[in-house]
Amino acid sequence: GENVEQHPSTLSVQEGDSAVIKCTYSDSASNYFPWYKQELGKRPQLIIDIRSNVGEKKDQRIAVTLNKTAKHFSLHITETQPEDSAVYFCAGPNTDKLIFGTGTRLQVFP
Amino acid sequence: DAGITQSPRHKVTETGTPVTLRCHQTENHRYMYWYRQDPGHGLRLIHYSYGVKDTDKGEVSDGYSVSRSKTEDFLLTLESATSSQTSVYFCAISVSSGGPEQFFGPGTRLTVL
Repeated sequence: GENVEQHPSTLSVQEGDSAVIKCTYSDSASNYFPWYKQELGKRPQLIIDIRSNVGEKKDQRIAVTLNKTAKHFSLHITETQPEDSAVYFCAGPNTDKLIFGTGTRLQVFP
Repeated sequence: DAGITQSPRHKVTETGTPVTLRCHQTENHRYMYWYRQDPGHGLRLIHYSYGVKDTDKGEVSDGYSVSRSKTEDFLLTLESATSSQTSVYFCAISVSSGGPEQFFGPGTRLTVL
C-alpha cells in the first residue's frame, strides 16, 4: 500500500539557521501533500500544503517543494525561532485518506 | 479550531472493558476521521466516515468499531480494550466535501491498565 517516509527523525538547529525536512512517497498518483506542526501536548495543526500541479509554495518563513519525478517533498523553514520547536509531520497521498510520516522533532536552540 | 470537540479528554480503564470515545463537530462537515498517535508511529488512521452511516476502515482498524448516526457525531468504540490500545486518539474533519485539508480535535488520552 501507500507509504510515506520522513527524515530525519530529530533535527537540532541554531536560532536563525534553516531547517529542512524531507518525505518520500511511493504512489505516483499522489496529488496532495500537507505538513502539520504539533507542539507538545497539543493537536497537530496544518501549516502548509501543496498539490501535485505546483512545484513550490511559500508562506512567510516556511516553504514546501515537490519533486514528482523523484517522489519526494520537503518542508523548509528559514530564520528559525525557538517557537518553531515542535514535531512536524508530512502526509499524503490523496484527498480522502491521509498517510502520515512518523514525524521530525525539531529543536531550535537560542 | 473548526468547531471540533472530543470527549472524554482523558480516560483510564481496565483491560477487557468497553470504551466509547466521542467526536463532535458543529459545522456539518461530511468527512470525519479517527486516528491514533503513538511514539515512533506518527498518526495512523483507524476509521473514517464520509456521511451518516457511511464508514470505512483505515490502516489500523482491528479492535475498533465506529458509528455515525448524526452528521455532527462520530463515535469510536473499543469493544474490549487491550493495553496495546493505550494511545492518544485524535478526531479530524475535512472542511470541504472530500477536500484534503484536515483539522484535528484536541485529542483523548486513553490508558488501558
